Order: sequence, then structure tokens, then C-alpha cells
Amino acid sequence: EDQVTQSPEALRLQEGESSSLNCSYTVSGLRGLFWYRQDPGKGPEFLFTLYSAGEEKEKERLKATLTKKESFLHITAPKPEDSATYLCAVQATGANSKLTFGKGITLSVRP
Amino acid sequence: NAGVTQTPKFQVLKTGQSMTLQCAQDMNHNSMYWYRQDPGMGLRLIYYSASEGTTDKGEVPNGYNVSRLNKREFSLRLESAAPSQTSVYFCASSEYPSGAGNTIYFGEGSWLTVV
Repeated sequence: EDQVTQSPEALRLQEGESSSLNCSYTVSGLRGLFWYRQDPGKGPEFLFTLYSAGEEKEKERLKATLTKKESFLHITAPKPEDSATYLCAVQATGANSKLTFGKGITLSVRP
Repeated sequence: NAGVTQTPKFQVLKTGQSMTLQCAQDMNHNSMYWYRQDPGMGLRLIYYSASEGTTDKGEVPNGYNVSRLNKREFSLRLESAAPSQTSVYFCASSEYPSGAGNTIYFGEGSWLTVV
């Protein structure tokens, strides 16, 4: 059974204080690992897809990395507008495989 | 730039009542999904439609039915609502059901309370 564990559950940062969010996963074969951002009262918004170990993707202050067991979402010099819940999901190989989501990490950035 | 549109945004039901959540996407996607999100749980798949004319059960299908009305629209029906179905429901779509590069796009959510 595919599993995704995100840590920590919640993270409070000061504006400008860089940190990383962790997503550990267990999957028989990885087709893709997805990061989403979710603001309160909104639907998840797609950020990145990573496909193979060693891959990295960046968008503004966010950089996602992938190993064979986990992914990190690095946040450099965060701003208050980066406050949100960040969701990680994996999709296994195989016909019609579906996404398995973690519970999310709630990030709060204080000005 | 609508993407995935869900209605209603909020609904309160009494136990035993029925209702349908509507979803439409304008991205010409083949696959559509219904998820529920509960506190302390990840998003869980209720039903999905890999392509027009097909539907399949996801992780938590009990108490729900779906209809893929056409390529754009995918509805979720609660025949006899129960308090355990109080949740936030998200409709989503993707170009294909699986495969590299397949990104799932979500709607804004429907908040359902069953009393």
C-alpha cells in the first residue's frame, strides 16, 4: 500500500527564515511525486511534479527535490504570503494508479 | 480562466436528505475525480472517471454515486446523507488518468454539513 508521511505537521517561521518541509513516501514504483499549495477555504493549487531521484524544480522562493525515499520543499527567505498548507502526493506506476496524499504541512510565516 | 467549477459552495443537509454536487471543467480534460478532505486526513478519492462514459470506485465510495454527464461534467450524489459525510468535497480533473506529466487540477471545494 502506498504511503505518504509529511513532517512537521505545522511550522512557524519568521519572515526571511529559510526552512524545509519533508515528504517521506513508500510506493512500489514511483511514477510521480506532486507538491500542492492549499490556502484556507480554497482548493489545492499545483506547484511541482518530480519524476526521478535527483530531480529538482524551482518556482520563486520554492525548490522541490526528490530522492528514492523522500522529497523536500525548500523555502528560501519566506514571506507572509507563503503561509499555506503544503500537500505532497505520490502516484505509483501501473495502469490507472491514483494519487495518494499526505496530511499536509501548515506553514505560518510571521512578518 | 475558470478551470474546475463546483456548485454549491456551501450546503447544510439533514440526515437522510439527498443532494447532488455539480462539477464542470473547461480544460478539455478526459479524467475527472471527486475527493473528500477531513481534518487530520489526507485527501481521499471517492470516485473517478477515467474517460467519458466510465466511472470507478476510489478509496471511500460508500454512500455516494456519480454520473459522468459528458466530457465536461461529473456529478456526485449523496442519496441519504449521514453525519459522517460532513466534509469538504473537491472535484478535480486531469488530461489523462495516469502517465508521466499528468497533473490533477482541483476546484475550489464544496463545504457540506450533515446535521
